[in-house]
Amino acid sequence: GAVVSQHPSWVICKSGTSVKIECRSLDFQATTMFWYRQFPKQSLMLMATSNEGSKATYEQGVEKDKFLINHASLTLSTLTVTSAHPEDSSFYICSAGGRSDTQYFGPGTRLTVL
Amino acid sequence: AQSVAQPEDQVNVAEGNPLTVKCTYSVSGNPYLFWYVQYPNRGLQFLLKYITGDNLVKGSYGFEAEFNKSQTSFHLKKPSALVSDSALYFCAVRGPNQAGTALIFGKGTTLSVSS
Repeated sequence: GAVVSQHPSWVICKSGTSVKIECRSLDFQATTMFWYRQFPKQSLMLMATSNEGSKATYEQGVEKDKFLINHASLTLSTLTVTSAHPEDSSFYICSAGGRSDTQYFGPGTRLTVL
Repeated sequence: AQSVAQPEDQVNVAEGNPLTVKCTYSVSGNPYLFWYVQYPNRGLQFLLKYITGDNLVKGSYGFEAEFNKSQTSFHLKKPSALVSDSALYFCAVRGPNQAGTALIFGKGTTLSVSS
């Protein structure tokens, strides 16, 4: 299957700092990428849809000014958690599918905000 | 509205026994159905999908799933469970003509296979 990478795999930061997470499709072009958040032992919550070359579409309740998404190329989308607080600690997962019916997921990024 | 239900939070099975993880869905039109597996602190791995064609779909690691339109179900099965199959399993759906849209996930079912 297709390969999607995320970097970093885990990050610990102080409250008030910003953290950038990268999502890359390694062997295909992804016109659309998705960002999810997952709490322990729970399902994935869609945060936003990232479209190459245009603004992201955020789900209801997700603060677009706090979770900045940039999809500058067909292989890279970034999620920046701005002014992170402990309640932002979570597992963030991206997915990409290009023109395929199947979504392929990155390995996830564990964010811990102290 | 589209939705997916996984009625069981946890399924326990002994190694070597068959396993079933249940999933039912609600979607307008013909559904696109998926199963993913997640190991601790890892992303989701694609197992199999149903788009059209044979109702029995075979996927990775010996898993299969049967699409049942009348029961709106897409249960995941494996004839003989392995301890290494222990993980969190997600069923997901999207509607037809929705290429490029996000999948809707069930809440997940933890599969525990004992030796």
